[in-house]
Amino acid sequence: DSGVTQTPKHLITATGQRVTLRCSPRSGDLSVYWYQQSLDQGLQFLIQYYNGEERAKGNILERFSAQQFPDLHSELNLSSLELGDSALYFCASSVDNSGRPSSYNEQFFGPGTRLTVL
Amino acid sequence: LAKTTQPISMDSYEGQEVNITCSHNNIATNDYITWYQQFPSQGPRFIIQGYKTKVTNEVASLFIPADRKSSTLSLPRVSLSDTAVYYCLVGDPSGGYNKLIFGAGTRLAVHP
Repeated sequence: DSGVTQTPKHLITATGQRVTLRCSPRSGDLSVYWYQQSLDQGLQFLIQYYNGEERAKGNILERFSAQQFPDLHSELNLSSLELGDSALYFCASSVDNSGRPSSYNEQFFGPGTRLTVL
Repeated sequence: LAKTTQPISMDSYEGQEVNITCSHNNIATNDYITWYQQFPSQGPRFIIQGYKTKVTNEVASLFIPADRKSSTLSLPRVSLSDTAVYYCLVGDPSGGYNKLIFGAGTRLAVHP
């Protein structure tokens, strides 16, 4: 158990709909990362937040957005869903080391949310 | 745009040493190289990290040459439980200080 929790575990919805995925980081971790992993694909970095502020953006679609709240939990919002958005969405957290790049931070991953768009 | 390249798959037998290499030609001077392990339906798990030369921990070694354009994860004496997908992770200098790139992953199968 990494200490990172994600809800829900599974989500089935229809094209055109909007969903929200939730992540609670490990206690004390200030950074949250979101990743997308399509079937048999690698991990695509979406976005990172640090203490409520956006720190880095990856290949995140405009239909997707995220935020980190004052209690440090994070939500990933996916809208106008398409079939191709079906994937595993992982959240990770880390203790952010000031002055070092994100590649330095050991990330702890949650169990993921499996999204199926029908 | 930074890119990482790893072999798609590898096969080994129990007790052998396995070396998986990741190419990251465009790594930034201040970037670290990290390797993660992922089992089916689980989130990735940190294995080892380095900046240059050689790093060793209780489960693996990481070799990074002087030019840092590649790195090699070495798993000594693998067992069946090491069957997993292994990813290298670096930063993408074209995306600013903190954009991250995972390699496509190497699927390691360990046979009895």
